[in-house]
Amino acid sequence: GDSVTQMEGPVTLSEEAFLTINCTYTATGYPSLFWYVQYPGEGLQLLLKATKADDKGSNKGFEATYRKETTSFHLEKGSVQVSDSAVYFCALSRNTGNQFYFGTGTSLTVIP
Amino acid sequence: NAGVMQNPRHLVRRRGQEARLRCSPMKGHSHVYWYRQLPEEGLKFMVYLQKENIIDESGMPKERFSAEFPKEGPSILRIQQVVRGDSAAYFCASSPPSKGRDYEQYFGPGTRLTVT
Repeated sequence: GDSVTQMEGPVTLSEEAFLTINCTYTATGYPSLFWYVQYPGEGLQLLLKATKADDKGSNKGFEATYRKETTSFHLEKGSVQVSDSAVYFCALSRNTGNQFYFGTGTSLTVIP
Repeated sequence: NAGVMQNPRHLVRRRGQEARLRCSPMKGHSHVYWYRQLPEEGLKFMVYLQKENIIDESGMPKERFSAEFPKEGPSILRIQQVVRGDSAAYFCASSPPSKGRDYEQYFGPGTRLTVT
């Protein structure tokens, strides 16, 4: 079945450090891939997405590239800020499907 | 355009009571999804509804849980005779009718259920 495997946390970085959160997926067909962010006490917000192979999603300095050959969608940011502290979820949906499949989430804490 | 609304934001119930969680989708969205997030875990799909129809309930526990999305009013997730293991955050998401490559779900802020 479809699934998402996400790098476990928690991750603690200093401000301005480089961030990578790994995400790999298993799915039939050609899913769309997403990164959602959850700030403390809030719901999930879409951070970025990619709908086909080799697409790059980007937003607020975050990037992720849809790699079909490695079934990956790793999240990167060149210089993190304290305000990036949150839980990040990788997710996929099959375009004809009804549900999203989420990874377990990676907690990021950025210290000044 | 208001986002997905959920209420209450926090709900405390004693074991054996009923919990009712409400979700109002975004304007123009006719598809609603419910997810559960247990502590330290990701979101798990529960049920997908359209107006007056349950489309996919493959993630719903077989007993005590039910969901509806009436023609008028919000979608309701109902948990009867709650147990401590039901304590979790319950998120609702909505999407417009069309599917395809631009498909995405918009999430509400969640209802945090605590069973004492």
